[in-house]
Amino acid sequence: GAVVSQHPSRVICKSGTSVKIECRSLDFQATTMFWYRQFPKKSLMLMATSNEGSKATYEQGVEKDKFLINHASLTLSTLTVTSAHPEDSSFYICSARDWAGGYYNEQFFGPGTRLTVL
Amino acid sequence: QKEVEQNSGPLSVPEGAIASLNCTYSDRGSQSFFWYRQYSGKSPELIMFIYSNGDKEDGRFTAQLNKASQYVSLLIRDSQPSDSATYLCAVELRWGADGLTFGKGTHLIIQP
Repeated sequence: GAVVSQHPSRVICKSGTSVKIECRSLDFQATTMFWYRQFPKKSLMLMATSNEGSKATYEQGVEKDKFLINHASLTLSTLTVTSAHPEDSSFYICSARDWAGGYYNEQFFGPGTRLTVL
Repeated sequence: QKEVEQNSGPLSVPEGAIASLNCTYSDRGSQSFFWYRQYSGKSPELIMFIYSNGDKEDGRFTAQLNKASQYVSLLIRDSQPSDSATYLCAVELRWGADGLTFGKGTHLIIQP
């Protein structure tokens, strides 16, 4: 199956700093990528949909100025958490859809990034 | 508002038995339905998806969909201890077009 990578896998930062998380589709072109967030013992919540070359679409309640998403190429989307605070500590997971080979209509998930804000 | 409901469990099943996991969804227009398995600290792994009413089988797993009742289930036959995980039901409103709405997951424990 298709592979999606995320970097970094873990990051610890101080409150007030910004953190960038990368999501890459390694062996396919992803016209659409999705960003999810998962708090401990909670389910995944869709944050935003990222389409290559256009602005991201954010879910209700997600601050677009705080969670900046850039999808500049067909293989890379980035999520920047700006002015991070302890309540932003979470597990951030991206997924990518490959329409060209989307035989199974599957979203391929990355391994996730654990963000801890001190 | 889109909602996906699952019993959080834990659901305890003896090894070799059938585990039955259930899910209901609120948006009647939803078109695609997914079952994922998630181990602690890891991202979800797709088990299978279904979009037509009825049953779909893949090895030890069978997904069942009843759109009239807005109900999706997953059966795991010959349960193994390695099947112990949290199982997430996810729903997509438009086939191939949207992000997924996840349930909170059912924690399944297979007892050796």
